[in-house]
Amino acid sequence: GAVVSQHPSRVICKSGTSVKIECRSLDFQATTMFWYRQFPKKSLMLMATSNEGSKATYEQGVEKDKFLINHASLTLSTLTVTSAHPEDSSFYICSARGLAGGPDLETQYFGPGTRLLVL
Amino acid sequence: GQNIDQPTEMTATEGAIVQINCTYQTSGFNGLFWYQQHAGEAPTFLSYNVLDGLEEKGRFSSFLSRSKGYSYLLLKELQMKDSASYLCATMDSNYQLIWGAGTKLIIKP
Repeated sequence: GAVVSQHPSRVICKSGTSVKIECRSLDFQATTMFWYRQFPKKSLMLMATSNEGSKATYEQGVEKDKFLINHASLTLSTLTVTSAHPEDSSFYICSARGLAGGPDLETQYFGPGTRLLVL
Repeated sequence: GQNIDQPTEMTATEGAIVQINCTYQTSGFNGLFWYQQHAGEAPTFLSYNVLDGLEEKGRFSSFLSRSKGYSYLLLKELQMKDSASYLCATMDSNYQLIWGAGTKLIIKP
């Protein structure tokens, strides 16, 4: 149980275009989803926390107008990188946390990640 | 402030035992997690400790001492596939994860 999928796994796009990444919890309902980015050989960096039906909370230094997050349902959150630039190239990973009262309330389960390359 | 320390890199031999330590100072504490991350992949959950003591799960065990702000991950009967980064993370009073930089574990034959 507790499987999180992410799509696409890899994407290459031109500078100035927008890219949407989907994160789905497949076998549980996720009240909270998290979006991270990770540069090579660096630690995970939390970008934003999103709760179903409400606006995402962005970490300091993360532009909310550039990284649009939508958490439309208890199983789906999307991250849209708008007007992507080469410096946005990174490994983007989502994670999901389950409903209150479930056995895994505290644990974040990660999707497989999306590798974005902006040319 | 919030701080998590773990060694940057460790080397061990196949079949041996290795202990990866993690010390932390965080505002509020709602448990400590260990994740495994292979190169180029997302982290996978290994363990969660919220009470003091040792939690054993097959070849992997995790220990927590809240009074000392200390945890360790113990890996027994090491296999080559255990070569990965091991991430220590604490959950703060807002239920947010605070991540360590990870320990890269290299297993040699």
